[in-house]
Amino acid sequence: GDSVTQMEGPVTLSEEAFLTINCTYTATGYPSLFWYVQYPGEGLQLLLKATKADDKGSNKGFEATYRKETTSFHLEKGSVQVSDSAVYFCALSGAGSYQLTFGKGTKLSVIP
Amino acid sequence: DAEITQSPRHKITETGRQVTLACHQTWNHNNMFWYRQDLGHGLRLIHYSYGVQDTNKGEVSDGYSVSRSNTEDLPLTLESAASSQTSVYFCASSESSVKTQYFGPGTRLLVL
Repeated sequence: GDSVTQMEGPVTLSEEAFLTINCTYTATGYPSLFWYVQYPGEGLQLLLKATKADDKGSNKGFEATYRKETTSFHLEKGSVQVSDSAVYFCALSGAGSYQLTFGKGTKLSVIP
Repeated sequence: DAEITQSPRHKITETGRQVTLACHQTWNHNNMFWYRQDLGHGLRLIHYSYGVQDTNKGEVSDGYSVSRSNTEDLPLTLESAASSQTSVYFCASSESSVKTQYFGPGTRLLVL
């Protein structure tokens, strides 16, 4: 079945540092890929998505590129802020499905 | 503005009791989903519905049931609550032909 593996946290960075959170997936066909963010005490919010190979999703300075050859969708941001502290989830939706399969989440803490 | 709400936000119950968690969305979305979030597991799908009178089991459906009598609501029932069902529960919805899901704020359930 479909699965998502993302790097385990927690990750602690200083403000303005570069962020990478790795995400790889296993799925048949061409899934859609997502990054969701969960701020403390809240539900999940869509951060960005990509629906086909080589697509780049971007939002709020975050980027991720759908790499079919490496089955990856790594999340990056050039300069993190304290307000980026949250839990980040990589997810996929398989071809022909509307369900999401999530990774276990990566907690990011950004310190001033 | 359209939204998705969950109630109650916090619930404490005893083992063996029946519990119902409410989910209401005003997006007019056909697709609705219930997830549970546990440390070390990310989000796991419990049940989902693609329209009125349609319900389907997800990855962790044992001990849970749902019913869909209208477009707006998908209540989740724990037939006989168990301590293993202590968790945070999230409801989500999406349009029929779109994979992006919108999440509610969550219900924190403690089963004693």
